[in-house]
Amino acid sequence: EPEVTQTPSHQVTQMGQEVILRCVPISNHLYFYWYRQILGQKVEFLVSFYNNEISEKSEIFDDQFSVERPDGSNFTLKIRSTKLEDSAMYFCASSATGVAKNIQYFGAGTRLSVL
Amino acid sequence: SQQGEEDPQALSIQEGENATMNCSYKTSINNLQWYRQNSGRGLVHLILIRSNEREKHSGRLRVTLDTSKKSSSLLITASRAADTASYFCATDATGNFGNEKLTFGTGTRLTIIP
Repeated sequence: EPEVTQTPSHQVTQMGQEVILRCVPISNHLYFYWYRQILGQKVEFLVSFYNNEISEKSEIFDDQFSVERPDGSNFTLKIRSTKLEDSAMYFCASSATGVAKNIQYFGAGTRLSVL
Repeated sequence: SQQGEEDPQALSIQEGENATMNCSYKTSINNLQWYRQNSGRGLVHLILIRSNEREKHSGRLRVTLDTSKKSSSLLITASRAADTASYFCATDATGNFGNEKLTFGTGTRLTIIP
């Protein structure tokens, strides 16, 4: 069964460093998303992406964040200068078009630890 | 309260019993979905119910939706140890290109005791 894959599974970084979280969405999906989940808290929407541009972003997704689809398969989330409060699980998701776009398929997540 | 709150926060039952979890939300929705999350893992889609539907079944899952009360329930029948996980409701709001941004609830931690 097709799945969303995310790498790395765990990323440790120093405060102020840049990190890039990588995702390979399901191959025929056209909508892509990033969410995050701080330990013990809700899953929060960060950004959605369609047709090579951001379609919606939350207030969490400030200038420190960016997304990119550098080729036909990868979808990345970059955090330019990490803060301690960026420590969280980051989930990538993708969905198809038409009525199926309502169902988002999630990767296993990247645990980001900012020290 | 926030959009998408589940209750109870935690639920422990004996294997074979039924588990019921509830979700309340505040704004109008297009669809409501339930997801499962095993510890330290990603979210797995379980079932979607549209705003014009009142009840839906999938295997051992039964979901109800009451848009007048802005609430939903998830019933898992004949629970199994493998059902131990956190369960989240998620509502969607249409974005600029029809992307369905999901707003998740706080989750119910379900523990099935063998």
